[in-house]
Amino acid sequence: DAGITQSPRYKITETGRQVTLMCHQTWSHSYMFWYRQDLGHGLRLIYYSAAADITDKGEVPDGYVVSRSKTENFPLTLESATRSQTSVYFCASKLELSLTDTQYFGPGTRLTVL
Amino acid sequence: AQSVTQLGSHVSVSEGALVLLRCNYSSSVPPYLFWYVQYPNQGLQLLLKYTSAATLVKGINGFEAEFKKSETSFHLTKPSAHMSDAAEYFCAVSTFYNQGGKLIFGQGTELSVKP
Repeated sequence: DAGITQSPRYKITETGRQVTLMCHQTWSHSYMFWYRQDLGHGLRLIYYSAAADITDKGEVPDGYVVSRSKTENFPLTLESATRSQTSVYFCASKLELSLTDTQYFGPGTRLTVL
Repeated sequence: AQSVTQLGSHVSVSEGALVLLRCNYSSSVPPYLFWYVQYPNQGLQLLLKYTSAATLVKGINGFEAEFKKSETSFHLTKPSAHMSDAAEYFCAVSTFYNQGGKLIFGQGTELSVKP
């Protein structure tokens, strides 16, 4: 199916474990983003990517790692999960850098760290 | 620094009543503004966006918003609420090209519609 997909949709893990959240888009959009959604905070940017092999930090990058070897994929890895990383994670993409360009969001991954 | 404030984390209206969700922004440069809707267990979907072409912006599902520079506001309205409008609504601003032209989001407003 065309669009932006995320997997898994739900994940429960334990403190200290490594977790990878997957994001895949079929539009060949240049820009991709990872946000986390927490009650009372709206969505906050973790990392973004301008193209394959170009990534950079957002507002809250600590404890996360990203890569983008292919344009369509943008995985987010929690190298050693902590309880504070319990959240809903959204991947988004947009065609270009334009400030008016619409960001399209995936369905989200609900992550619980015990 | 740019920021977005949504007044009221929860709004409840009766079916058929006016929906008004408030959004105020702070920005040192002309902003571009967005409203997104999030239905339960789903991602965010664009309702409408202000790109400086017109101050009154019409979106999907009968929603509209008016950009008021003097009030630094971008309130979302719908004349008659439907049960299907129950969801969480986010206002967001985009003003700088750093960090990929990221969106800065408000805290969200949960809309409940009573029969």
